[in-house]
Amino acid sequence: KNEVEQSPQNLTAQEGEFITINCSYSVGISALHWLQQHPGGGIVSLFMLSSGKKKHGRLIATINIQEKHSSLHITASHPRDSAVYICAVSNTDKLIFGTGTRLQVFP
Amino acid sequence: NAGVTQTPKFQVLKTGQSMTLQCAQDMNHEYMSWYRQDPGMGLRLIHYSVGAGITDQGEVPNGYNVSRSTTEDFPLRLLSAAPSQTSVYFCASSYLTGVDEQYFGPGTRLTVT
Repeated sequence: KNEVEQSPQNLTAQEGEFITINCSYSVGISALHWLQQHPGGGIVSLFMLSSGKKKHGRLIATINIQEKHSSLHITASHPRDSAVYICAVSNTDKLIFGTGTRLQVFP
Repeated sequence: NAGVTQTPKFQVLKTGQSMTLQCAQDMNHEYMSWYRQDPGMGLRLIHYSVGAGITDQGEVPNGYNVSRSTTEDFPLRLLSAAPSQTSVYFCASSYLTGVDEQYFGPGTRLTVT
């Protein structure tokens, strides 16, 4: 069993829909990261959080440390949100990555 | 700032050849790392460094060497390329450790025939 599990693996949505991507982990962590990888391949950091909730524009990330679970929400989705979203956890000096959720948003 | 740069962007090697993937950052970050990304798998850590002169193995270090003679540079060497090393390679850096925000390079797509 992977130490970081994401669901769903693939997600399609119509423009404007509210989207939720889930991440569960089984190890002790010091922080959880949400990353975005566009079709061109570049990876950018969206959020790093160790408790509670963070918001940036239309993106919201939450974490429940007790349940070892995090969610990434996208409000009013847009085709430019189409990308792979990756959850990763910081475990001592290393990051452990989920396999990613591929999101496609259609106009 | 250029951020994290990687060269080359694409490379084709024959089995048994050696090469070095270059990675540099201009943000004065202490922590640098190399990952490989394969279809259906999460990014896997190859080697990492917590500062100049210090390197350590990650999850999949076999067939790769690294060195960290300066804070800025963290090259990855493939000693004798194998088809199993066909992958996309990402270099990343962060201020101090894996706890900090990660900055990724654009990636190197390597094919070994």
